[in-house]
This record gives sequence, C-alpha cells and structure tokens, in this order.
Amino acid sequence: AQSVTQPDIHITVSEGASLELRCNYSYGATPYLFWYVQSPGQGLQLLLKYFSGDTLVQGIKGFEAEFKRSQSSFNLRKPSVHWSDAAEDFCAVLMNRDDKIIFGKGTRLHILP
Amino acid sequence: DARVTQTPRHKVTEMGQEVTMRCQPILGHNTVFWYRQTMMQGLELLAYFRNRAPLDDSGMPKDRFSAEMPDATLATLKIQPSEPRDSAVYFCASGLGGAADTQYFGPGTRLTVL
Repeated sequence: AQSVTQPDIHITVSEGASLELRCNYSYGATPYLFWYVQSPGQGLQLLLKYFSGDTLVQGIKGFEAEFKRSQSSFNLRKPSVHWSDAAEDFCAVLMNRDDKIIFGKGTRLHILP
Repeated sequence: DARVTQTPRHKVTEMGQEVTMRCQPILGHNTVFWYRQTMMQGLELLAYFRNRAPLDDSGMPKDRFSAEMPDATLATLKIQPSEPRDSAVYFCASGLGGAADTQYFGPGTRLTVL
C-alpha cells in the first residue's frame, strides 16, 4: 500500500538559517507529490506540488522541493527561514488523479529568534 | 478573497448526541473533501464529492457518519450517535478538479465529545 513518511516530528532552526524537511514515499511508480503548511488554528495551505518535468519545484513563501526518484524522496527546503514559517508542514502523495490523497504525519517547525 | 467557511468552529457535545458540521465551498469549486485530523492518526480523508456526487467515502465509518451536498454551496457531515473517539478537528476543503488539484482548506471544526 502507498505510504508517506516524514521522519522528523519536530525541527527547530534559528531565524535566518536554512531548512530541509524530509519526506519519503512508498510506491512503485512516480506519484503526485505535495507539501502543505498548517499555521496554528488554521486549515492547510498548498506550498507546492510536483507532477512531472523539472524535479526542482518552486513554491510560495520562498519554499522549494526536490523530487529524487532514486531515493523516493521529496524534501522541502528554504534557504533562510522567517519567524512566520513556524507551523506544521505536511507532505502528501497521490497515486492517480482521482485516487485518495495520503498525508504524512507532519513535521512541526519551530523557529528560534 | 474567496475562502472555504465551516460552521461551527467549535462544538462540545455529549456522547450519543447528533452532530452536524457544515461547509461552504468556494463559489465555483466543484470538488469537496472532508478530512479528520487527530494527534494519533494525523489527517485522514473521510469523503470526497465531485459535482455534488460522492466519489469516495471509504474512509468514513458508515454506521454513524454521513456526508451530503444538498446543493453546490453546502456540504454537511453528520455523526449520529457521536462517541468520544470522534473528538477531532474536521476540515472541509474545496477545489476545481480532483485530488491532484489544489485543495483550499477551511479553518476546521473542533469537535469534543464528552
């Protein structure tokens, strides 16, 4: 069965530092891949998505993610985090356009001043 | 700025009571999703509608949960009877296509069943 793993439950970085959040999926083919962000007390917002083509995807708020087929990974990165990036980030996978999207358990991002 | 709205934002009820949660999708969106978020299970898809027709409700406990779209501007999720294990945050999301397209999430309904 398809699955998505976010190995880090919590990540703490200093403001201005770079960030990488890990995401690994389990499936034989290349899925649709997403990163969503959830600010405290709010619903989720799409940061970026990958379907095909260029494996480096740019998203909103300065985030990017790189799809690596050989590692079954879709890690989220940001060169310099801001205090407003403190939130919970979810990786998600979808095998077919009308299939059921599967979310990871999330990584809570803490920003030190 | 178009948004998905959900009511109520918070609901506290006693075990055995009926709970109805409402969602107003973004005008023009033809796809509606219902999710449940808990600490233990994370975010789970409960049901998925396109053009008001249910496409997938396999994630929903059928004996007590029901989801409907009486019209294009309203989606409802009902629990009858409610149980303490139903305590969670329930999110509605809407979109213009299937699950592969951007989903716009509402703020959620936090349900507590005592």
